[in-house]
Amino acid sequence: VQLVQSEPEVKKPGSSVKVSCKVSGGTFNSYALSWVRQAPGQGLEWMGEIIPIFGITNYAQKFQGRVTNTADESTSIVYMELSRLRSEDTAVYYCASYELGRRRLPPFFFQSWGQGVLVTVSS
Amino acid sequence: EIVLTQSPGTLSLSPGERATLSCRASQIFTSNYLAWYQQKPGQAPRLLIFGASNRATGIPDRFSGSGSGTDFTLTISRLEPEDLAVYYCQQYVSSPITFGQGTRLEIK
Repeated sequence: VQLVQSEPEVKKPGSSVKVSCKVSGGTFNSYALSWVRQAPGQGLEWMGEIIPIFGITNYAQKFQGRVTNTADESTSIVYMELSRLRSEDTAVYYCASYELGRRRLPPFFFQSWGQGVLVTVSS
Repeated sequence: EIVLTQSPGTLSLSPGERATLSCRASQIFTSNYLAWYQQKPGQAPRLLIFGASNRATGIPDRFSGSGSGTDFTLTISRLEPEDLAVYYCQQYVSSPITFGQGTRLEIK
């Protein structure tokens, strides 16, 4: 499977950003998709996931109320929207996938990753 | 939330040597749901190991994982210059998914 993410974004504090991840080379509903972010020079931080075939979303408590994951089966694209942006949200945001197999309930590890998209929050 | 602590923070070794990276969990794992990733500079992470000891597709057998309970190890035998990267462990025992802080591997 290939995951191709949208273009970089520059946003003002307090605004929202919506980034996308197109899934190709596999059956869209066979995957669970997560979003993982990486602030400059820092480690990896899991934000949440969506499992389109089950209509399930799960979010890390840290992002509850600020993040929304959605999926469009017709275009094989998943979206992550993060609201009330602050400077600390400046990071590279990755989508990552797990192909549902014997294990069909989260949490999962990540077999494929998108190229990442830089979101810069600055006034 | 399960906290993963990786050590050492930085490892500097020469080509041909063996690297041993540690990942310690704050809770005992009832299942070996631990993965390892390699992240080269400017790139996305790449899955190396899942289930503590299973190599992902296309990963050379120089990479091996072991461990259980709270202590897990990634071993890279016969280091090559291309192994320069940061290595992360990740648990998928329970939500939320968490990562270790990473071990930076430098090749002399």
